Amino acid sequence: GDSVTQMEGPVTLSEEAFLTINCTYTATGYPSLFWYVQYPGEGLQLLLKATKADDKGSNKGFEATYRKETTSFHLEKGSVQVSDSAVYFCALENYGQNFVFGPGTRLSVLP
Amino acid sequence: GAGVSQSPSNKVTEKGKDVELRCDPISGHTALYWYRQSLGQGLEFLIYFQGNSAPDKSGLPSDRFSAERTGGSVSTLTIQRTQQEDSAVYLCASSLRGASTDTQYFGPGTRLTVL
Repeated sequence: GDSVTQMEGPVTLSEEAFLTINCTYTATGYPSLFWYVQYPGEGLQLLLKATKADDKGSNKGFEATYRKETTSFHLEKGSVQVSDSAVYFCALENYGQNFVFGPGTRLSVLP
Repeated sequence: GAGVSQSPSNKVTEKGKDVELRCDPISGHTALYWYRQSLGQGLEFLIYFQGNSAPDKSGLPSDRFSAERTGGSVSTLTIQRTQQEDSAVYLCASSLRGASTDTQYFGPGTRLTVL
């Protein structure tokens, strides 16, 4: 079946460092891909999404590009802030199927 | 071990009917969450259970929605008199203690379609 793999972390960075959180997937067909974020004490929020190959999702300085050739959807941000500390989930939704989430990656950004 | 499971995986119902969605959290996890994702929307928090404490129902969209958690384990989300806008994927998650530092593990979801 479909699956999502992402680096589990925790990832600890200094403020203004470059962030990459890797995400790869296995799926039949052409799934939609998502990054969700959970800030401390809050529920999940959609961060960005891409629905077809080569689409780039972006929000709040974060970007991820749907790479079908490498089945990847890596999350990047050029300069992280302390307020970016959260758990990040990569997920896919295949047409007619339900969501498949990765295990989540905890990010801690130190001042 | 086994992850979070949900049933049914898909549910099609007629407007006005009641539906029950089930979630089996990871064994030993005291916190359980319900979310939903409507078409084109982000995840919407619905309700949170932590141990034997009163649940946080702040996310329930109307009084047609209710949830219970029996014996601190299995949870059932009930939607009464379903409406077409209730169509969504309903996701359940559990975590060890419900602390903000805990990772939430998600089930596969139940896709609800209200005709």
